[in-house]
Amino acid sequence: LAKTTQPISMDSYEGQEVNITCSHNNIATNDYITWYQQFPSQGPRFIIQGYKTKVTNEVASLFIPADRKSSTLSLPRVSLSDTAVYYCLVGGVYSSASKIIFGSGTRLSIRP
Amino acid sequence: DTGVSQDPRHKITKRGQNVTFRCDPISEHNRLYWYRQTLGQGPEFLTYFQNEAQLEKSRLLSDRFSAERPKGSFSTLEIQRTEQGDSAMYLCASSPPDRGMDNEQYFGPGTRLTVT
Repeated sequence: LAKTTQPISMDSYEGQEVNITCSHNNIATNDYITWYQQFPSQGPRFIIQGYKTKVTNEVASLFIPADRKSSTLSLPRVSLSDTAVYYCLVGGVYSSASKIIFGSGTRLSIRP
Repeated sequence: DTGVSQDPRHKITKRGQNVTFRCDPISEHNRLYWYRQTLGQGPEFLTYFQNEAQLEKSRLLSDRFSAERPKGSFSTLEIQRTEQGDSAMYLCASSPPDRGMDNEQYFGPGTRLTVT
């Protein structure tokens, strides 16, 4: 079971870069790392996914070291609207659905 | 809007009553998931369908809970004899068929159930 560990909460200010690190020591060879964002009273929304090294899209970057035992979600120049809960998940082609665990996530608060 | 839709968005019921929720996934998605989320926690997996087949069920899904996806399109989640502990947000998600469980899931807005 590829369990993940993330900080419970983080605070930052508008315009700053925010990095949220997730540990997944038992990640399997076939597992991908996926991050979701959730606002209050809404379902989670996919942000980014990667397997190794670095992935970047219009919203965020994902850094994955060679050993893949951790990953870092980087949000450049955050705004108040980035205040949300962020979940790190690991799972692969051969995972069962029940093994994809959201955990409690990281509650990110952005201040003016 | 071609996203995942759920109905109703809110449901208040008295303890002991039965409730049914509906989920309409994105049309080309053959995978459908149900989750339950309580305050301050992440979504917890309940059950998973591939087309019309219910392939996985969590131990959280007691015998009071039943889910169906009769034609491989929309799905229903029924809770019989509701209890106050059933109060939660029930989320539905879908994903396309081209990959496995690494594939991103598209979530609906959820149905918030309150049992009084």
